[in-house]
Amino acid sequence: DGGITQSPKYLFRKEGQNVTLSCEQNLNHDAMYWYRQDPGQGLRLIYYSQIVNDFQKGDIAEGYSVSREKKESFPLTVTSAQKNPTAFYLCASSPRTAYQDTQYFGPGTRLTVL
Amino acid sequence: AQSVAQPEDQVNVAEGNPLTVKCTYSVSGNPYLFWYVQYPNRGLQFLLKYITGDNLVKGSYGFEAEFNKSQTSFHLKKPSALVSDSALYFCAVRDDEGTGFQKLVFGTGTRLLVSP
Repeated sequence: DGGITQSPKYLFRKEGQNVTLSCEQNLNHDAMYWYRQDPGQGLRLIYYSQIVNDFQKGDIAEGYSVSREKKESFPLTVTSAQKNPTAFYLCASSPRTAYQDTQYFGPGTRLTVL
Repeated sequence: AQSVAQPEDQVNVAEGNPLTVKCTYSVSGNPYLFWYVQYPNRGLQFLLKYITGDNLVKGSYGFEAEFNKSQTSFHLKKPSALVSDSALYFCAVRDDEGTGFQKLVFGTGTRLLVSP
């Protein structure tokens, strides 16, 4: 988990609310990623960013939004349009995406909708 | 698209015994394969990866993985299991979408339980 921080560790949301999950890295990595983890389904890619001010949708982007204004920060907003947001959210980073570079993960945020 | 399969939801082994966590892959071209471990309520930790070269890859914490092209497998192994190895293990493969972006595709995970 070193070098990548996520906050908060636990987050509770009421239905209809937007919430923002923080992800910060001090590894000087160009690429950052957001994954969603549900029991028995592995990790699914939500959004990724290869460079500042650029990001792309992953496999399950509906109901989520991101920004990449700084190299070290990649916040994820879970909007009210996300029908089933309760999950464990993981942020990751890697030096670049054009090679087989390893992704390094943060400790995760567990989001629960009340 | 590339994919990996982890056929076992859970593997049980006694401490001191060898362990194997299975992974098979389906790729077009050369596979780039990874193993990660996740402890409860934590992020994933990188264990090892296969890019090319020797079929036996050594990684962190005494783990190794054997790449077998004919069986399209990349099983994770450890000669002597520890109780502290109990965790969730993920196999992953690099998927080149043809856009220059190479994402990781993860298996569904295998829970390893090492009993004292």
